[in-house]
Amino acid sequence: GAGVSQSPSNKVTEKGKDVELRCDPISGHTALYWYRQSLGQGLEFLIYFQGNSAPDKSGLPSDRFSAERTGGSVSTLTIQRTQQEDSAVYLCASSLAPGLADEQYFGPGTRLTVT
Amino acid sequence: EDKVVQSPLSLVVHEGDTVTLNCSYEVTNFRSLLWYKQEKKAPTFLFMLTSSGIEKKSGRLSSILDKKELSSILNITATQTGDSAIYLCAATGTASKLTFGTGTRLQVTL
Repeated sequence: GAGVSQSPSNKVTEKGKDVELRCDPISGHTALYWYRQSLGQGLEFLIYFQGNSAPDKSGLPSDRFSAERTGGSVSTLTIQRTQQEDSAVYLCASSLAPGLADEQYFGPGTRLTVT
Repeated sequence: EDKVVQSPLSLVVHEGDTVTLNCSYEVTNFRSLLWYKQEKKAPTFLFMLTSSGIEKKSGRLSSILDKKELSSILNITATQTGDSAIYLCAATGTASKLTFGTGTRLQVTL
């Protein structure tokens, strides 16, 4: 079956603009996660969805970052008033059922460059 | 705060060598430890280890979890150039999120 997909694969934006990143999880996976990987850094957790709810938003770095998930499927990560430090690869992952099946499967990521 | 530490940071070996990558973790209510291989952007799942499955093997790759020492190793035997990648270790606990280490960059040369 299809894996996790993300769009766009690359995004270049000017400082101060808003961007939207999209994630389409594996069909049937109830849990969805957003991570960020800056150059030379490990993956940093941003937010976790179980269904359409976000029980853990602890990783969102500022109130410029928000995310939503609709229909228990597609998720959108929005960054408002982008800053240069937002430049990173944004990775989405999904899993079948946290606690029962912790394996998370990652999408190809969106490389965001803020100029 | 949950923490995962990997060593070494980077490693260069010759094709055919055996390598051991290390991972230690401090995670509240530890549940599982996962290994991923990252070649370009997307990490690819390798293994998951839990209290009920402390040893996994797939081909030339194997991994062991030591719950007493709060650590895990990933072994790769008879390395090939295609094994060159960043190997990421991650752990889950009370929170469902993965806490990642910074990874070990492995380069396999001819």
